[in-house]
Amino acid sequence: DAGVIQSPRHEVTEMGQEVTLRCKPISGHNSLFWYRQTMMRGLELLIYFNNNVPIDDSGMPEDRFSAKMPNASFSTLKIQPSEPRDSAVYFCASSLVPGELFFGEGSRLTVL
Amino acid sequence: GDSVTQMEGPVTLSEEAFLTINCTYTATGYPSLFWYVQYPGEGLQLLLKATKADDKGSNKGFEATYRKETTSFHLEKGSVQVSDSAVYFCPRGVVWLYRDSNYQLIWGAGTKLIIKP
Repeated sequence: DAGVIQSPRHEVTEMGQEVTLRCKPISGHNSLFWYRQTMMRGLELLIYFNNNVPIDDSGMPEDRFSAKMPNASFSTLKIQPSEPRDSAVYFCASSLVPGELFFGEGSRLTVL
Repeated sequence: GDSVTQMEGPVTLSEEAFLTINCTYTATGYPSLFWYVQYPGEGLQLLLKATKADDKGSNKGFEATYRKETTSFHLEKGSVQVSDSAVYFCPRGVVWLYRDSNYQLIWGAGTKLIIKP
């Protein structure tokens, strides 16, 4: 079975550009999470969807960040405009059993 | 509030040594407890879990016992290998009842483990 698939794996962009990260969760999973990981702040939950509906977006840093889940098999995280402090590894994870998350390999974002 | 405190790393051991990584939590009630592992350059993977007091989770030679009296869930392994080098996280579950189906994990900072041959 395919795991959680994220793209791109690496993204280098310049400050002010729009960045879109994509995620395909595991088929049948009903929860999807977007996390950000940095050395300074560790692992941070950005947003959590349940059955395609955003349940908790309190971790989204500011209005520059937005996330969508138009259907059960696809989600995007968009940053517009991007800033150097957004540089991080962004993980998508999906889940069927509460607490049992399956993570993708991450998208490493570098904003110059 | 609810939190998780992990042993500060890095923890450096020689191959075949005994491993303990400490994890304690604060909580109301009895949350489910988990250990996740993150190998270099990869996403996190669930290693083991325990859902109630005195439960023991185990996987790949790792064990952890849910100790209600000490609010702890320490990770142990009898003989570590170089391939166990990774960052280990011990989140706890929390349910926020004000929102339907809002079950989330409270994460600690992670403990980096380095195993030397």
